[in-house]
Amino acid sequence: NAGVMQNPRHLVRRRGQEARLRCSPMKGHSHVYWYRQLPEEGLKFMVYLQKENIIDESGMPKERFSAEFPKEGPSILRIQQVVRGDSAAYFCASSPPGSRVTDTQYFGPGTRLTVL
Amino acid sequence: GENVEQHPSTLSVQEGDSAVIKCTYSDSASNYFPWYKQELGKRPQLIIDIRSNVGEKKDQRIAVTLNKTAKHFSLHITETQPEDSAVYFCAASKPGGFKTIFGAGTRLFVKA
Repeated sequence: NAGVMQNPRHLVRRRGQEARLRCSPMKGHSHVYWYRQLPEEGLKFMVYLQKENIIDESGMPKERFSAEFPKEGPSILRIQQVVRGDSAAYFCASSPPGSRVTDTQYFGPGTRLTVL
Repeated sequence: GENVEQHPSTLSVQEGDSAVIKCTYSDSASNYFPWYKQELGKRPQLIIDIRSNVGEKKDQRIAVTLNKTAKHFSLHITETQPEDSAVYFCAASKPGGFKTIFGAGTRLFVKA
């Protein structure tokens, strides 16, 4: 049973470009969470999605950031017009259906975004 | 808003000694408290969790205690080993809410 998959593992973008980060949850999981981790800092909640629905995006910056979890395929975190301050590790986590967040979340390996 | 504070930010212990990391949370409705270990460049991994209906939980060398009245919970690692060196995060979440709020992390160094 494969764990949470994220790709790419490393992504380099120049200022103004778009970054697309992908997350495939564990098999059978329908809840996906995205977190951002700045260097030497903790994990900051960004967004919680279920299939085709954004449940809570209160941690997402209002501009340039968007997330989706389509019926088919991975969850996508998109950052438009990246700036240097977007450089961070982006982790996604998943949990099984029928769960609230109080069930265990399983983390992916992260995507390390570097904006030049 | 919800907040989780974690102390200390850095902790250095001698191999074999115990390590204690403390967290406080602001939202009294929180009822689930996981602890994650993150090694350098790797994903956070759950090491232990506790729910608000219990006060203490133990798993081999790791234990977690919860004081709901004071709104704080602690991680205890006994007989520390060099491979325990990592960053440890506490977290809190509540029913009906969808966010897990993480502490800022504690960098633990275990000296051989």
